[in-house]
Formats: sequence, C-alpha cells, structure tokens
Amino acid sequence: SQQGEEDPQALSIQEGENATMNCSYKTSINNLQWYRQNSGRGLVHLILIRSNEREKHSGRLRVTLDTSKKSSSLLITASRAADTASYFCATTLTGANSKLTFGKGITLSVRP
Amino acid sequence: DTAVSQTPKYLVTQMGNDKSIKCEQNLGHDTMYWYKQDSKKFLKIMFSYNNKELIINETVPNRFSPKSPDKAHLNLHINSLELGDSAVYFCASSQVRSTGTGLGYTFGSGTRLTVV
Repeated sequence: SQQGEEDPQALSIQEGENATMNCSYKTSINNLQWYRQNSGRGLVHLILIRSNEREKHSGRLRVTLDTSKKSSSLLITASRAADTASYFCATTLTGANSKLTFGKGITLSVRP
Repeated sequence: DTAVSQTPKYLVTQMGNDKSIKCEQNLGHDTMYWYKQDSKKFLKIMFSYNNKELIINETVPNRFSPKSPDKAHLNLHINSLELGDSAVYFCASSQVRSTGTGLGYTFGSGTRLTVV
C-alpha cells in the first residue's frame, strides 16, 4: 500500500519563485527521501533526511521533517525552468529491509 | 560511466511472448531492485536482491522472475506477457547498512515495455 502522499499534485510557478511541496506518510519511518524525475527519465535522488533530523539543506533545496505530524516538505528556492519535473517523496520504514515506498508524485512546472 | 544501466530502453512485444530486461550497476552496491511505474507515474517495488539473495518479493504474478547472477546484475524475465504489463520498469541499486537501513537509491533510466 502507498506510504507517502504528496500535495499539491501539480504546481505551476514562475521562474525565480520558491516551490514548496509537501508529503505525508502513515507509519513510523527510518528515513524520508525526495527524488526528481524528468520526463522520460529515471529518478534522481535529491536528499535524504533521517527520522531524528528536522531540517536539511542541499544547495537550493531545503527539506524539513516533522515526525509528530508525519509530514515533510521540500522547498526549492529561486526556481529555474530546469527544475520542471515530477518530485516524489519516499520512505524507508523501520526494520523493513530497506524497502523504499514512493508517494504519487508532484508535477512541478516552472515557467520561464 | 553509467552507474545503473538497463537494457533495452524500449521494448514492444506481442501478448503471450516472453521477454527479459537486463540491469547492471557499477557502484559496488550490495542491493538491487526492480520497480514498476504505471501510466499514472505510481512507482511500486517488485523485487529486491541483497548480495544475490532475494529479500523482497512483493505481490507480483509468478510470470515475473528475477535473476541475480552476481551482486552487480539483476535481470527480470517476464513470461506470457499481458496487456496490463505495459509500464516503465526501473532497476535501482543502493548500499544497505547492517541495520537494514537503505540510503539513497540510484536508478536506471528505465525500460518502457509496451505489450500489443
């Protein structure tokens, strides 16, 4: 069954604006990861946040994790047209043989 | 230099045929996976092998049979293909810690299977 649920399902913004995408999950996790998928391509790992971490940064990406609310957010600052892609959150459950379970994904369109 | 490579990239075949998809990783990872992505982009894990041992086998028809000759290769064989098997199949690899915690996965570019 699905673990992560992202929202919104689709987001359209102007280049230079910030994009915020949210993900909620249902059960206790070991870590939460965000991936990007460009059209017709494979998934690219963006960032991993462990269950004992609250915030993590990587370049223009900022991820937060609130385990009490079972939710995470991905912020992309100063978006670029090249950020146009689908974004997925995925979770690894505690003691679950490292199985990574994905949400449905968010389609981000950045208008030039 | 491709980290996870899978072949073929496109596969069009008739119902009832048997086909294979191959995957190789040169990252030295100990765990490999097969995922299926449907037309709505939903990704679902199918199988996982750790050091050639099957560790995850989701509810997948037994027409699908993975084979891992060594920890750098994980192939997927599909018998008696059906229309509903049409999807994009992704191979991935990761290094799993002794605690069972997986780190970031590296994905191949996918195999788009179309059954006609």
